Amino acid sequence: AQSVAQPEDQVNVAEGNPLTVKCTYSVSGNPYLFWYVQYPNRGLQFLLKYITGDNLVKGSYGFEAEFNKSQTSFHLKKPSALVSDSALYFCAVRDKTGSSGSARQLTFGSGTQLTVLP
Amino acid sequence: EAGVTQSPTHLIKTRGQQVTLRCSPISGHTSVYWYQQALGLGLQFLLWYDEGEERNRGNFPPRFSGRQFPNYSSELNVNALELEDSALYLCASPPGRANTGELFFGEGSRLTVL
Repeated sequence: AQSVAQPEDQVNVAEGNPLTVKCTYSVSGNPYLFWYVQYPNRGLQFLLKYITGDNLVKGSYGFEAEFNKSQTSFHLKKPSALVSDSALYFCAVRDKTGSSGSARQLTFGSGTQLTVLP
Repeated sequence: EAGVTQSPTHLIKTRGQQVTLRCSPISGHTSVYWYQQALGLGLQFLLWYDEGEERNRGNFPPRFSGRQFPNYSSELNVNALELEDSALYLCASPPGRANTGELFFGEGSRLTVL
């Protein structure tokens, strides 16, 4: 079984400061890892993914994430937060080697509400 | 190209009623995933349809069901509604059969059960 943990329900950061949203995962094989963002009353938007290669992945809106296999983590980061980054962020995982239906769909974390204070 | 579209956007039902939600994936995409986003519970996988067949379902009771049509659009049906079914129901489609993971999501259907 695959699972994702987002240990923080809420993260507050001042505008202009760096931000980190934490994510740890568990899969039986090698992971595909993803970050999505959800603005109020909207669907989810894809931010970035890790498939293979460089552990530091760059995505939309200046976000990046670092894959750490030994710590089974995939934390989302941004060097300088904007008020407009305030939203709900979801980490998701999929087992790369999964061929059965149960492994092919994404498993999401419970979400972290990011608030950037002006 | 149009994105994933869902209807209705909002609806209110009472306990015991039935509801049908609809989803059209991005043109040419054959798979449809349904997720439930209840308050405080994140996204829970409901159903996966591909090429007209149900490929997998999450840990939900049988009163949650659906189907996929030849044009790859999909319906989610929920019978005997309960208060805890109140949630945002999201439909998503991947870019192709390889499914490296990105899902394109619709805006969702927000169901309120009174």
